[in-house]
Amino acid sequence: QQPVQSPQAVILREGEDAVINCSSSKALYSVHWYRQKHGEAPVFLMILLKGGEQKGHEKISASFNEKKQQSSLYLTASQLSYSGTYFCGTPGSGNTGKLIFGQGTTLQVKP
Amino acid sequence: DTGVSQDPRHKITKRGQNVTFRCDPISEHNRLYWYRQTLGQGPEFLTYFQNEAQLEKSRLLSDRFSAERPKGSFSTLEIQRTEQGDSAMYLCASSLGARGRGEQYFGPGTRLTVT
Repeated sequence: QQPVQSPQAVILREGEDAVINCSSSKALYSVHWYRQKHGEAPVFLMILLKGGEQKGHEKISASFNEKKQQSSLYLTASQLSYSGTYFCGTPGSGNTGKLIFGQGTTLQVKP
Repeated sequence: DTGVSQDPRHKITKRGQNVTFRCDPISEHNRLYWYRQTLGQGPEFLTYFQNEAQLEKSRLLSDRFSAERPKGSFSTLEIQRTEQGDSAMYLCASSLGARGRGEQYFGPGTRLTVT
């Protein structure tokens, strides 16, 4: 079951904050976040493995609410380099580690 | 550590031709995945290898697709009798598997255009 991301697109000015949400209709055990710039491969940002866990990477952080079956990615004081498409990925069935990705959220940061 | 590499980066082929892509994972990673990505969509899982064993194939992978990972190192993905619907970015990713947290590292992808 593909996770659902919202919003589909965000336009920001430098220095503004954004939140991207990822929700699933099934129980989540982990959530992976990636950023992809146009024409490039997805780049791993962070993985959240426990309910309630929050991880941070510079000014990008994420939370994971296992009960609500959702994760949120927080981008604070956004920079031009944050522009790209953000994907959340959740584990598929079986124990292979394959990921099922959401449809993506496109973030554009303007000067 | 040079990361995941893929070759070629771009491939243009005529409908009906066969194509083969190569992926070299991060050297100590025993898990290797192939995904396909079309414009505006997230990557879709195609197949998974643990070492040299192909342990799962998606229903997206028709009989025209075959993948190998001899000796558990590099992997190849072959598409026979290509169709225009095969046009996409083919991404390879690798991970440490049980020894790691499960994060996957992607290669730059091979963009296939079928004319």
